[in-house]
Amino acid sequence: GQQVMQIPQYQHVQEGEDFTTYCNSSTTLSNIQWYKQRPGGHPVFLIQLVKSGEVKKQKRLTFQFGEAKKNSSLHITATQTTDVGTYFCAGKRANAGGTSYGKLTFGQGTILTVHP
Amino acid sequence: NAGVTQTPKFQVLKTGQSMTLQCAQDMNHNSMYWYRQDPGMGLRLIYYSASEGTTDKGEVPNGYNVSRLNKREFSLRLESAAPSQTSVYFCASSVLAGDSYEQYFGPGTRLTVT
Repeated sequence: GQQVMQIPQYQHVQEGEDFTTYCNSSTTLSNIQWYKQRPGGHPVFLIQLVKSGEVKKQKRLTFQFGEAKKNSSLHITATQTTDVGTYFCAGKRANAGGTSYGKLTFGQGTILTVHP
Repeated sequence: NAGVTQTPKFQVLKTGQSMTLQCAQDMNHNSMYWYRQDPGMGLRLIYYSASEGTTDKGEVPNGYNVSRLNKREFSLRLESAAPSQTSVYFCASSVLAGDSYEQYFGPGTRLTVT
C-alpha cells in the first residue's frame, strides 16, 4: 500500500533558527496537504499543493512539491515559540479510484520544539 | 458554527467493554472520517464515509464499526475493547471526499483501555 514517510521525527531548535521537515511518498501523489497540530490539540489544515514543482509561501512558512510529485517539504524561517507542534503531510496516490478515492495517507509527523 | 464536535473527550474502558464515540459536524459537509493517532504513527484512517449512506474501510478497520446516522453525524463503535485500541481518536469532515478538499478535525477523544 501507499506509504508516506516524514523526516525527521523530532526537531529541537533555538528560537530564531530555521526548520525543515521532509515528506516522501512511495507512490506519485495527486496533490499534498500539510497540517499543524499544537500540543494537546487537533490537526489544522495549513495548505495544499497540486502542481509539480509548486512553491507556496505563508509568511515565514515555505512549502514545496517535488517535480515528480513524490516528495514535499515545509521550511520555517526564523522559528518562534508559536511554531511549536507537530507538522503532518498527507497525500493520496495519483489515479487512485474505487474505495481508495476518499483516503488520505498521513505521514508520521515531525514534532518541533522551539527553545526560547 | 461549532465545526466538528466529538463526545466524550475522555474515556476509560475495561477490556471487553463496548462503547460508541460520537461525532457531529455543522458545516454541511458530505464526507466524514475517523482516525486514530498513536505516538510515532501519525494519523491512521479507520473508516470514512464519502457521503450519507456510504461507508468504507480505511487502513486499520479491524475491531471497529461505524454508522453514518445522517449527513451531520458519524459514529464509531468498539464492540469489545482491547488494550491495543488505547489511542486518541479524531473525527474529521470535508466538503467532498478526495484529495482536493481540506479536512476539518474535531477536538479528539482520548481513550484508555485497561
